Amino acid sequence: ETGVTQSPTHLIKTRGQQVTLRCSSQSGHNTVSWYQQALGQGPQFIFQYYREEENGRGNFPPRFSGLQFPNYSSELNVNALELDDSALYLCASSGRTGGWNEQFFGPGTRLTVL
Amino acid sequence: QKEVEQNSGPLSVPEGAIASLNCTYSDRGSQSFFWYRQYSGKSPELIMSIYSNGDKEDGRFTAQLNKASQYVSLLIRDSQPSDSATYLCAAADSGYALNFGKGTSLLVTP
Repeated sequence: ETGVTQSPTHLIKTRGQQVTLRCSSQSGHNTVSWYQQALGQGPQFIFQYYREEENGRGNFPPRFSGLQFPNYSSELNVNALELDDSALYLCASSGRTGGWNEQFFGPGTRLTVL
Repeated sequence: QKEVEQNSGPLSVPEGAIASLNCTYSDRGSQSFFWYRQYSGKSPELIMSIYSNGDKEDGRFTAQLNKASQYVSLLIRDSQPSDSATYLCAAADSGYALNFGKGTSLLVTP
């Protein structure tokens, strides 16, 4: 069974730039959620995708957007990067295995905005 | 506002002791509760889920849920230095988002 994978591992951008982060869900999972984790904080929910549709969204501005593809992989796009966007971005997949809300995290992408 | 509160610690316990981690939540609509372990620089790893009042045991871990008191706990028996990590408590309602606390740092000393 393949776990959740994310790319890239690390990324450095400058303020105002745009970034795309990628996630492949665990085998058998059809739902992908994205979280932002700032240093010393718990993960904060950004949004979730199910069947290629946004299934819910947290308190993040529209410059955070996403996609899900037919193979259930997903992208997180962030436009007009701000310094406060520096964080660990986590993708979690869920689906047929375990409870409906059991979410399994990938290794994350560390984004630094200068 | 759906809040999950945890003592940030650090909680220090000697090797072989029982570590007790606690969490309270504000949303009475929360139905599912999870404990994640996060090592420094790594992503969270799901270690326990609990949905009903009472205790759930898995190896050295026991999760306890009391919905009336809006309280969740995690007990780690026979604590090992490898258990030293940050433990994140999360709650979910019937929707899709996990609401996390800030985590409790656990240090198990040899």
